[in-house]
Amino acid sequence: QQPVQSPQAVILREGEDAVINCSSSKALYSVHWYRQKHGEAPVFLMILLKGGEQKGHDKISASFNEKKQQSSLYLTASQLSYSGTYFCGTTPPDKLIFGTGTRLQVFP
Amino acid sequence: GAVVSQHPSRVICKSGTSVKIECRSLDFQATTMFWYRQFPKQSLMLMATSNEGSKATYEQGVEKDKFLINHASLTLSTLTVTSAHPEDSSFYICSARETGGNIQYFGAGTRLSVL
Repeated sequence: QQPVQSPQAVILREGEDAVINCSSSKALYSVHWYRQKHGEAPVFLMILLKGGEQKGHDKISASFNEKKQQSSLYLTASQLSYSGTYFCGTTPPDKLIFGTGTRLQVFP
Repeated sequence: GAVVSQHPSRVICKSGTSVKIECRSLDFQATTMFWYRQFPKQSLMLMATSNEGSKATYEQGVEKDKFLINHASLTLSTLTVTSAHPEDSSFYICSARETGGNIQYFGAGTRLSVL
């Protein structure tokens, strides 16, 4: 079953922060986060393999709550280049099922 | 590293014809490759999992006789859309997972338009 993401869409001004949530009804073995720009392939952002794990690079980080079957992606001090659709991907296991997606638009 | 090449990037065909899409991992070996389909403004939906040297595993609702998948080597998987119809028009994306790895790397996608 497809993970549900919230919110469906976010509009930000440059420099603002955002949080994207991913929730699954099934047990998660890992959580992947991708960003896709219109008409392009998804680009890998990060993977969280263990419950309680947190990761980040630049100003994008994520957390994984295995017990709650949830993950969150945190974008701080957003830049114009952050615009796109963000997908979480969950492995139930051994194949990647994408979430419903969150469209993020950053304006100057 | 971790480059996946998908070809062609765009194809337009007549209804009833077949179309083959290639997916290659250029700098790593991939025992497992995946095929997704994406309709406008929607998420990527997994169609099938392709394992080198064995039959593909199709997701529920995906017609295996219509979407033929072959994974003949550790670096190449192909998807053939047979007897394509306008409703098959979509964005098809492949991904490859390095043998023993966790991350899936995606090709650039193929936009199929069936007239």
